[in-house]
Amino acid sequence: GAVVSQHPSWVICKSGTSVKIECRSLDFQATTMFWYRQFPKQSLMLMATSNEGSKATYEQGVEKDKFLINHASLTLSTLTVTSAHPEDSSFYICSAKASGSAKQYFGPGTRLTVL
Amino acid sequence: GQQVMQIPQYQHVQEGEDFTTYCNSSTTLSNIQWYKQRPGGHPVFLIQLVKSGEVKKQKRLTFQFGEAKKNSSLHITATQTTDVGTYFCAGSGNYGQNFVFGPGTRLSVLP
Repeated sequence: GAVVSQHPSWVICKSGTSVKIECRSLDFQATTMFWYRQFPKQSLMLMATSNEGSKATYEQGVEKDKFLINHASLTLSTLTVTSAHPEDSSFYICSAKASGSAKQYFGPGTRLTVL
Repeated sequence: GQQVMQIPQYQHVQEGEDFTTYCNSSTTLSNIQWYKQRPGGHPVFLIQLVKSGEVKKQKRLTFQFGEAKKNSSLHITATQTTDVGTYFCAGSGNYGQNFVFGPGTRLSVLP
């Protein structure tokens, strides 16, 4: 099946710093990528939808200036958490889907801990 | 907006017992997907249902889409320890909306 990678798999940073997370589709072209946030033992909360070459669409309540998303190519999307604070600590998961397909392939996730 | 609920939240079964999780949407869905997330892992796509009343089987797993396309179920026959994980349904509305995930059902299987 299709493979999606995320980097880094985990990151610890100080409050106030920015963290960039990469999501790559390794063997298919992802016209759309999704960014989710998952708190322990909870469901996936969609943060934003990223379409290649256009601005991301953010879900209600998600600050677009805090969570910067760039989908520069058909295989790469990045999420930058700017001026991170402890409440931003979470598990961030991306997923990708190809044009014409509804199936989402999830990355392994990135665990962010903000001290 | 669209809401997707799942019951039960948790289920503990003895190995060999059957298990069912139910997914309900507040609105009519165009299709529904099911995912499995193992502890410490990421969600993995299991199946997509599109047609009203559709039933699909994958070995011991049986997926059903309700006639009204507002509910779905996943049934596992004779559970095994490898079935442990959280099962999420995700529904998409009739207007091309993104999939909304349910809260998941966490399955524990006691050997």
